[in-house]
Amino acid sequence: QKEVEQNSGPLSVPEGAIASLNCTYSDRGSQSFFWYRQYSGKSPELIMFIYSNGDKEDGRFTAQLNKASQYVSLLIRDSQPSDSATYLCAPREPGNQFYFGTGTSLTVIP
Amino acid sequence: DVKVTQSSRYLVKRTGEKVFLECVQDMDHENMFWYRQDPGLGLRLIYFSYDVKMKEKGDIPEGYSVSREKKERFSLILESASTNQTSMYLCASSYRREQFFGPGTRLTVL
Repeated sequence: QKEVEQNSGPLSVPEGAIASLNCTYSDRGSQSFFWYRQYSGKSPELIMFIYSNGDKEDGRFTAQLNKASQYVSLLIRDSQPSDSATYLCAPREPGNQFYFGTGTSLTVIP
Repeated sequence: DVKVTQSSRYLVKRTGEKVFLECVQDMDHENMFWYRQDPGLGLRLIYFSYDVKMKEKGDIPEGYSVSREKKERFSLILESASTNQTSMYLCASSYRREQFFGPGTRLTVL
């Protein structure tokens, strides 16, 4: 059984702070890693993905990957109230299957 | 613009009814997926399809079947709905790396 572990939260940060979301995964065969944002009552939307060890930046978002430690993280800089959502970590297998963590709930306090 | 649509946003059915959930994508993607999402359990894969008439079981296929007669359409069938199938059902499609979700169908089985 492939597992993805995320701290369910809730994680609360003040507006303007850095939010740090963490994810560990069990399957060493996973090749790429996706972060989705899901607002309450809505479907997940892709924020970014990463497939190489190290950091990848996209605007206020930075994904970090360490395959040796089986660890992925998402940093959100200058957090805004509109960032309040659940964040899902999803490793992707070679066969195009994704498997999802249960998500971390983030609240950005104005 | 990427688009995945689902036939209903909300659906109420009775125990024992046969239920069809339809998903259509307009991106010519080979891969399509059906998930259910429940509080505390995250997104769980029911079935996926990587080509027309091809299907693979996911983690929780029991009580479900699928049909993919055309590339753009992937149907989820509940042969005899039960109350434990009350859930949010999400369809997704993907090509290579990214996976795109439909808006979801909130199914209630009474």
